[in-house]
Amino acid sequence: SQKIEQNSEALNIQEGKTATLTCNYTNYSPAYLQWYRQDPGRGPVFLLLIRENEKEKRKERLKVTFDTTLKQSLFHITASQPADSATYLCALFYNQGGKLIFGQGTELSVKP
Amino acid sequence: NAGVTQTPKFQVLKTGQSMTLQCAQDMNHEYMSWYRQDPGMGLRLIHYSVGAGITDQGEVPNGYNVSRSTTEDFPLRLLSAAPSQTSVYFCASSRDDSPPTGNTIYFGEGSWLTVV
Repeated sequence: SQKIEQNSEALNIQEGKTATLTCNYTNYSPAYLQWYRQDPGRGPVFLLLIRENEKEKRKERLKVTFDTTLKQSLFHITASQPADSATYLCALFYNQGGKLIFGQGTELSVKP
Repeated sequence: NAGVTQTPKFQVLKTGQSMTLQCAQDMNHEYMSWYRQDPGMGLRLIHYSVGAGITDQGEVPNGYNVSRSTTEDFPLRLLSAAPSQTSVYFCASSRDDSPPTGNTIYFGEGSWLTVV
């Protein structure tokens, strides 16, 4: 079965630096991959989607890359701010089965 | 726009009790789903619906029932609560051609359920 792994340890960085979060998967490449932000006590909020034929997507300070050879997606937040502190989830959609599978999330803490 | 509304926010149940988690959306979305989120695990799909009158099982359906009588509402029923069902439950909705096309999925704020 498909497995998704995100950094289980929290990521602590200094304000202004670039945060990089990792999402690794096994076996088949997904049709697309999504990144969500989740604040404590709230539901996930969609951020970005990248498809299997795309290498990179950007939205304001966010950048997502997708490497099907490495079976990995990287999520970057440039010029990070304390307000970026949250848990970030990746989710992969596979045409086989037609389901969206979520990773367990990585907690990001940006210190002033 | 209210988006996806879940009630209750918090609930404590005794083992064996039944209850219904309510979910409503006002975006006229055809696709609705229920997930549970447990520490150290990703969101896991319980049940989903692609439209009124149509439901199907997800990854972890045992112990839960759903129905979809209207486009707006998608309640999740716990038939006989067990401690293993202690979790945070999220309802979500999206347009009728998602998730295959990747359209945005909108999540509710969550329902914290404790079974003692």
